[in-house]
Amino acid sequence: EDQVTQSPEALRLQEGESSSLNCSYTVSGLRGLFWYRQDPGKGPEFLFTLYSAGEEKEKERLKATLTKKESFLHITAPKPEDSATYLCALEGNYGQNFVFGPGTRLSVLP
Amino acid sequence: DGGITQSPKYLFRKEGQNVTLSCEQNLNHDAMYWYRQDPGQGLRLIYYSQIVNDFQKGDIAEGYSVSREKKESFPLTVTSAQKNPTAFYLCASRGTGNIGSPLHFGNGTRLTVT
Repeated sequence: EDQVTQSPEALRLQEGESSSLNCSYTVSGLRGLFWYRQDPGKGPEFLFTLYSAGEEKEKERLKATLTKKESFLHITAPKPEDSATYLCALEGNYGQNFVFGPGTRLSVLP
Repeated sequence: DGGITQSPKYLFRKEGQNVTLSCEQNLNHDAMYWYRQDPGQGLRLIYYSQIVNDFQKGDIAEGYSVSREKKESFPLTVTSAQKNPTAFYLCASRGTGNIGSPLHFGNGTRLTVT
């Protein structure tokens, strides 16, 4: 069975304090690993898709990386507007649908 | 702008009443999905549809029903049989042409049943 876990559950950073969020997964064959950002009361907003181990993608202060067991979302010099819940999800080759992790709630303090 | 529209944003109902949540998309996507989000849990799939006039049960379909009469629309009915209906409901769609294409989400409907 495909599974996704995320850590930590919550993270508080000072503005400018870089850190990483972890997404650990098990899957029989990976079709795609997805990162989303979700603001309170809103739907998830798509950030990145990663397809194979070693792949990296960047967008502004965010960089996503992928290994065979984990994905990391690195946040460099975060700003208060980066505060949100970050969701990780995967699509496996043999599962019918996406599997979502519970998310990491990030707070960036000014 | 293309996107997914969910309405209403907030919905309040008494126990025992059925309620229908609206989802419309103008992205020309074939596949549409309904998810339920509860605090501390990952999104859980209720129903999905890969094509008009066809839909499949997800992991937690009991107490819910859907229809897919048009490509653009995928309404969800929460019936009185759903034991714990208070939650945040998210509709999503996806183009099926590319492997690994992401889900695109609406902004959700928060349903409160008392």
